[in-house]
Amino acid sequence: DQQVKQNSPSLSVQEGRISILNCDYTNSMFDYFLWYKKYPAEGPTFLISISSIKDKNEDGRFTVFLNKSAKHLSLHIVPSQPGDSAVYFCAASVPGYSTLTFGKGTMLLVSP
Amino acid sequence: EAGVTQFPSHSVIEKGQTVTLRCDPISGHDNLYWYRRVMGKEIKFLLHFVKESKQDESGMPNNRFLAERTGGTYSTLKVQPAELEDSGVYFCASSQIWLGGNEQFFGPGTRLTVL
Repeated sequence: DQQVKQNSPSLSVQEGRISILNCDYTNSMFDYFLWYKKYPAEGPTFLISISSIKDKNEDGRFTVFLNKSAKHLSLHIVPSQPGDSAVYFCAASVPGYSTLTFGKGTMLLVSP
Repeated sequence: EAGVTQFPSHSVIEKGQTVTLRCDPISGHDNLYWYRRVMGKEIKFLLHFVKESKQDESGMPNNRFLAERTGGTYSTLKVQPAELEDSGVYFCASSQIWLGGNEQFFGPGTRLTVL
């Protein structure tokens, strides 16, 4: 039973446009959410995170939005660049536990 | 600062054999985690060490898997005997402390193929 779902296996966007990656979760105990980016043959790299007490967190071109009532979060990348092409994983944790629960990932392809 | 390193990068073994994976966390990181990703699926938690102690091993699939972290530095994950379904990429991650919002730093992974 997947607690973190990324329903889009892939996404293609043109350079300069906005990329929106979506993530849904079912466990209402999750209180912290993270996005990781992964290039082939490398490990996941932390990108941005958000606490459940916030609804938005921004870091440069990357913004994460959290809608707790809908149990939904999204990652916005503006403007998208070819170097952003990678697999993006959504992850979540519950208070007091170190476990990160991941989604299956979304492969983003940004074309020039 | 060196990142998390893992050895080997790839391992191909036959069913029934034994394989040992090694992880060297970032220096000073007390928390060390093992995860696994089976092809096309999500990255799944296996276990968590705080220094040399197992804090949470709820994700270990069965007793064919044995993880150790002697001295609280590097960690090994042994699979004995390996089965076909053990194939996947094994990631190690480390973090300095665990607080809400303290992200984990991942190594490049070990790709294990069991034939």
